[in-house]
Amino acid sequence: EDQVTQSPEALRLQEGESSSLNCSYTVSGLRGLFWYRQDPGKGPEFLFTLYSAGEEKEKERLKATLTKKESFLHITAPKPEDSATYLCAVQAPDSWGKLQFGAGTQVVVTP
Amino acid sequence: DTEVTQTPKHLVMGMTNKKSLKCEQHMGHRAMYWYKQKAKKPPELMFVYSYEKLSINESVPSRFSPECPNSSLLNLHLHALQPEDSALYLCASSHGTGREEAFFGQGTRLTVV
Repeated sequence: EDQVTQSPEALRLQEGESSSLNCSYTVSGLRGLFWYRQDPGKGPEFLFTLYSAGEEKEKERLKATLTKKESFLHITAPKPEDSATYLCAVQAPDSWGKLQFGAGTQVVVTP
Repeated sequence: DTEVTQTPKHLVMGMTNKKSLKCEQHMGHRAMYWYKQKAKKPPELMFVYSYEKLSINESVPSRFSPECPNSSLLNLHLHALQPEDSALYLCASSHGTGREEAFFGQGTRLTVV
């Protein structure tokens, strides 16, 4: 069965302390990998789509990268407002419209 | 504009009640989704509509009944729910090619008493 595993489960950072989140997947022939940010009690907010190994996307302090087996979300010089749960989701070749989510990484950034 | 609007934001219902959740998008998207999310868990897919036709039902109990009146609207009709159905219900939409990002609404927090 296809699996999506995120690590670490939780991450506590000081403001300005850069770090990376990992999303590893076992899907063969990936159709797409998606990163979302979710605040408590709210819906996931779309961040990035990655389609092929070597691809990179950036938005403010966030940068997402993709290899054949995993994706990283790098947070550079985080601020307290970056505190959230970060979810990655993959779409397999035979799963039109179906996103399989990882369990998420809860990030807390303290001043 | 990447907005998906869900109403109501909160809903408390008894196990014998009938209620509906509503979702609206005006992005011209042709695929719409219902997800269920329990606390501290990732979203789980329930239904997918593609071009107003139900294309995926993830073996959801019949007490949940989806409806897509037109390409902008998606409803989820609820009847005879159980307390374990309490969760955040999320609506999402995407362009409809099956290979693109989905945009989520803010969800309806449902409590079944």
